[in-house]
Amino acid sequence: DIQMTQSPSSLSASVGDRITITCQASQAIYNDLNWYQQKPGKAPKLLIYDASSLETGVPSRFSGTGSGTDFTLTISSLQPEDFATYYCQHHDNVAVFTFGPGTKVESK
Amino acid sequence: QVQLVESGGGLVKPGGSLKVSCAASGFTFSDYYMNWIRQAPGKGLEWISYISDSGDYTHYADSVKGRFTISRDNAKNALYLELTSLRADDTAVYYCARERSSGWLLGTWSQWGQGTLVFVSS
Repeated sequence: DIQMTQSPSSLSASVGDRITITCQASQAIYNDLNWYQQKPGKAPKLLIYDASSLETGVPSRFSGTGSGTDFTLTISSLQPEDFATYYCQHHDNVAVFTFGPGTKVESK
Repeated sequence: QVQLVESGGGLVKPGGSLKVSCAASGFTFSDYYMNWIRQAPGKGLEWISYISDSGDYTHYADSVKGRFTISRDNAKNALYLELTSLRADDTAVYYCARERSSGWLLGTWSQWGQGTLVFVSS
């Protein structure tokens, strides 16, 4: 089974900061990688699909890169509404759907 | 607009059963694969099941295989998850989620419900 890891598990940042979260797969997964944002008590929200495609309606300060085993989510200028937990998720067409453990972005 | 509304969660004893539902609106329900994803309190996300748009194909995570059953009623725009042989570690918020694109199993979920809590305890 493919395992997903994320780093850091948490980070403290200020409004306006550029932050990067990394996600690593235990084996190559091409670009089959999504990113979600989740706020407390709310459902996850799709931000990035297929490693680098921005979901409709998601602000352009969010971007995703990577392929193979190493992926990143970048927020170019952190906004107050961006404090949340971020999950990467591997997907493929044989129903292997695995989430990373999450990265909590907190206010410094 | 797209809406997914889960219901049916609650307190159930270990070994018990429960059926949760997801009412869909704002899109052509029968065109989309649907999924159930859960989140234990304070923990991460776990995909547990999908069902094809027609209902002909289903698949489960190993953690629930043989205990949970996904189904749908396209005439009623409804998705269901029957949970049996429940254990304490099944305690979680259960979300229904829709694929981003119609007609395909992508494992990319652009629409989510608000979730329903299933609490397994004696």
